[in-house]
Amino acid sequence: QKEVEQNSGPLSVPEGAIASLNCTYSDRGSQSFFWYRQYSGKSPELIMFIYSNGDKEDGRFTAQLNKASQYVSLLIRDSQPSDSATYLCLLGGSQGNLIFGKGTKLSVKP
Amino acid sequence: DAGITQSPRYKITETGRQVTLMCHQTWSHSYMFWYRQDLGHGLRLIYYSAAADITDKGEVPDGYVVSRSKTENFPLTLESATRSQTSVYFCASSETLTDTQYFGPGTRLTVL
Repeated sequence: QKEVEQNSGPLSVPEGAIASLNCTYSDRGSQSFFWYRQYSGKSPELIMFIYSNGDKEDGRFTAQLNKASQYVSLLIRDSQPSDSATYLCLLGGSQGNLIFGKGTKLSVKP
Repeated sequence: DAGITQSPRYKITETGRQVTLMCHQTWSHSYMFWYRQDLGHGLRLIYYSAAADITDKGEVPDGYVVSRSKTENFPLTLESATRSQTSVYFCASSETLTDTQYFGPGTRLTVL
């Protein structure tokens, strides 16, 4: 069974630090990778997507994809208390299957 | 306003009853999805649809029925609700299967 693994956390970082969130996956044919943020009681919202190996930056967020090692990560620079949420990775698989990780809860302490 | 809406937002029902959750999107996205979210399981795909009259099973389809007669609507029916179907249900839409998904606000369903 194709799987997506995330550390459930909670991951606690001080304000201003870099938060590093990771996601490993088993389907080598995965083609699209997304990071969503979900605040408590709210629906998921897209932060970034990445399709190719390497880094992709958008403001304070950087997504990193390494298909050979089968992981995708999200770095949040200058973390703010408003970044405190659960971060979900979503993989679009080789056969059209879509699998979410269970999410990592991030807590940014002032 | 453009977007994706779900109704009802909250629903309490009893075991054995039929329940239908509604989803409506105004973007004319081809794809629509239903997920359930439970503690310890994250978001799991129930069904998705590529276009009107085209639907396919996701990871956890048992006990659910979907239809899509119009591009903008994608209702999810629990034909005979069970307590294990107590969950938060999210609808989403996207232009393609591997494109960004936009989520509705969710429906919190409690089955007593």
